[in-house]
Amino acid sequence: SQTIHQWPATLVQPVGSPLSLECTVEGTSNPNLYWYRQAAGRGLQLLFYSVGIGQISSEVPQNLSASRPQDRQFILSSKKLLLSDSGFYLCAWSVGGQGNSPLHFGNGTRLTVT
Amino acid sequence: GENVEQHPSTLSVQEGDSAVIKCTYSDSASNYFPWYKQELGKRPQLIIDIRSNVGEKKDQRIAVTLNKTAKHFSLHITETQPEDSAVYFCAASPLWNAGNMLTFGGGTRLMVKP
Repeated sequence: SQTIHQWPATLVQPVGSPLSLECTVEGTSNPNLYWYRQAAGRGLQLLFYSVGIGQISSEVPQNLSASRPQDRQFILSSKKLLLSDSGFYLCAWSVGGQGNSPLHFGNGTRLTVT
Repeated sequence: GENVEQHPSTLSVQEGDSAVIKCTYSDSASNYFPWYKQELGKRPQLIIDIRSNVGEKKDQRIAVTLNKTAKHFSLHITETQPEDSAVYFCAASPLWNAGNMLTFGGGTRLMVKP
């Protein structure tokens, strides 16, 4: 069966520091991968998605970037964090090449920028 | 792009009563409509989904209805139980053969009082 791992679970970082969140998927090949952000008490906003290694699409302009160095690895980064980057970050995957297959989320990373 | 509105933002019901959450969407090209349940501090989990070639789908106490003409869809939970208490998110996605591009509603906090 497929599993998704996301770490760390919580992170407190000062303004201006770098960020690296990692997500890996097991049990499937060539998945679609996604990064979502959830502000406190709000809905989920799509930040990035990827349909293959090195293929990254951004949905909103922001202080963040994403990379997919391996088929089942997705990384969210920032060179300098802003206070507004605080939130709950969720990695997700869906079956590659299959239209509208269900999205499966990781356990999330709660980021607090101080 | 797609815009999904979800109502109500909070809903309180007595155990055993029914709960209904409604969503409207703007993009007539959307054809996939999942619902996610998110318990406090946890990841969203898919509970039911419907595609545009179906008007209604039921899974035990949960049902979803879709009206494509009016561009709205609803989640119905019957015989509510305290463990149904959570935040529920609707979402919509146009057909994208490579995956899905979900736009989420703002969420509904459901509280089931014993």
